[in-house]
Amino acid sequence: ETGVTQTPRHLVMGMTNKKSLKCEQHLGHNAMYWYKQSAKKPLELMFVYNFKEQTENNSVPSRFSPECPNSSHLFLHLHTLQPEDSALYLCASSSTSGYYNEQFFGPGTRLTVL
Amino acid sequence: GNSVTQMEGPVTLSEEAFLTINCTYTATGYPSLFWYVQYPGEGLQLLLKATKADDKGSNKGFEATYRKETTSFHLEKGSVQVSDSAVYFCALSHSNTGNQFYFGTGTSLTVIP
Repeated sequence: ETGVTQTPRHLVMGMTNKKSLKCEQHLGHNAMYWYKQSAKKPLELMFVYNFKEQTENNSVPSRFSPECPNSSHLFLHLHTLQPEDSALYLCASSSTSGYYNEQFFGPGTRLTVL
Repeated sequence: GNSVTQMEGPVTLSEEAFLTINCTYTATGYPSLFWYVQYPGEGLQLLLKATKADDKGSNKGFEATYRKETTSFHLEKGSVQVSDSAVYFCALSHSNTGNQFYFGTGTSLTVIP
């Protein structure tokens, strides 16, 4: 595997379910990100992890719970979601050691909440 | 604060037409500027970047020039193809905000044969 991978690619869940999204990066990066992409809205940064430490939480509801056990893996735990949480969830990674650090994105998980 | 504004879509062009997608930014100092592309059903891919004023990023026939005086980074391609149909995102990152990325809202491009 190369780059940034995300599983599952598609997920349908009820409002009472608990599920997790997984992201893995094979690029040796130390920073990882969760974004939410909804139709007709700008890309929303949700969480940032740098060297496994959460450095950003952009007022995300507590029904989204991130976990970063190491610099290569990032999870997003979901529970009691709402239909408006249906979106494409994108994971990204980057290095932070240089000055110009582009982010590399995974293919996303398409989440539908019924 | 830092922000990016890009032209609203959708944009529909015929094959071989000239493409311009406007992007302007707000930031202090010298951010790095990027164009990302998102093909249907995929994540965002870096298309090109420029890291200082007057730099020109280019890739796959696309170009964008970092214009400090107009705070712009417009994306251009001389002759678009059907395979260029995608959503294009302008973005900036700045060391004064820990290299956090700020994305535009995206511009959907459809190229018809």
